[in-house]
Amino acid sequence: GESVGLHLPTLSVQEGDNSIINCAYSNSASDYFIWYKQESGKGPQFIIDIRSNMDKRQGQRVTVLLNKTVKHLSLQIAATQPGDSAVYFCAETNSGTYKYIFGTGTRLKVLA
Amino acid sequence: DAMVIQNPRYQVTQFGKPVTLSCSQTLNHNVMYWYQQKSSQAPKLLFHYYDKDFNNEADTPDNFQSRRPNTSFCFLDIRSPGLGDAAMYLCATSSHGRADNEKLFFGSGTQLSVL
Repeated sequence: GESVGLHLPTLSVQEGDNSIINCAYSNSASDYFIWYKQESGKGPQFIIDIRSNMDKRQGQRVTVLLNKTVKHLSLQIAATQPGDSAVYFCAETNSGTYKYIFGTGTRLKVLA
Repeated sequence: DAMVIQNPRYQVTQFGKPVTLSCSQTLNHNVMYWYQQKSSQAPKLLFHYYDKDFNNEADTPDNFQSRRPNTSFCFLDIRSPGLGDAAMYLCATSSHGRADNEKLFFGSGTQLSVL
């Protein structure tokens, strides 16, 4: 289920199930989006990116969907594994600004 | 391996005592960033350099300064740390205008404690 913690919403999923993490971005002029994974005490790690001229992009076990109409981004993780437990952030940028703004983040907990 | 390196990994300072955090990169990226991240929050952009051009965020306190003496190195100076400045400080780089690769590459961060 999904719940709101002190700062980060948390998504709990069973190992082997698919996970869907959502992000609402703020700037309609943003044209490049990235999903990052951050484990405790570490820097964010790149997962997958997508440009605004696409609405879907697939990687290994991950898919990013972009809906520009409602300014919504999602990350789908197939067959979620314990190693996927982390905090996931979306980041948006307008390529002309070189500035990346991060969304609130979602904590993913994988239950054995 | 090419990477973004932050030193030290953990830094403890005293209230009001100036502290400098370091970042180096072997990626030859032209843009370097400093982010502040507090517990259970998203990284917050403090400033960035595009080559030597410094770009400060409007809400970054004057207490925070940065230097980029060359392409490879960037420093974050906190002139008078307060208790509220305790956080993880993340350095990141990206390449713009030189390659079709704009993603942010992060270092491991420096966890700053203020006593």
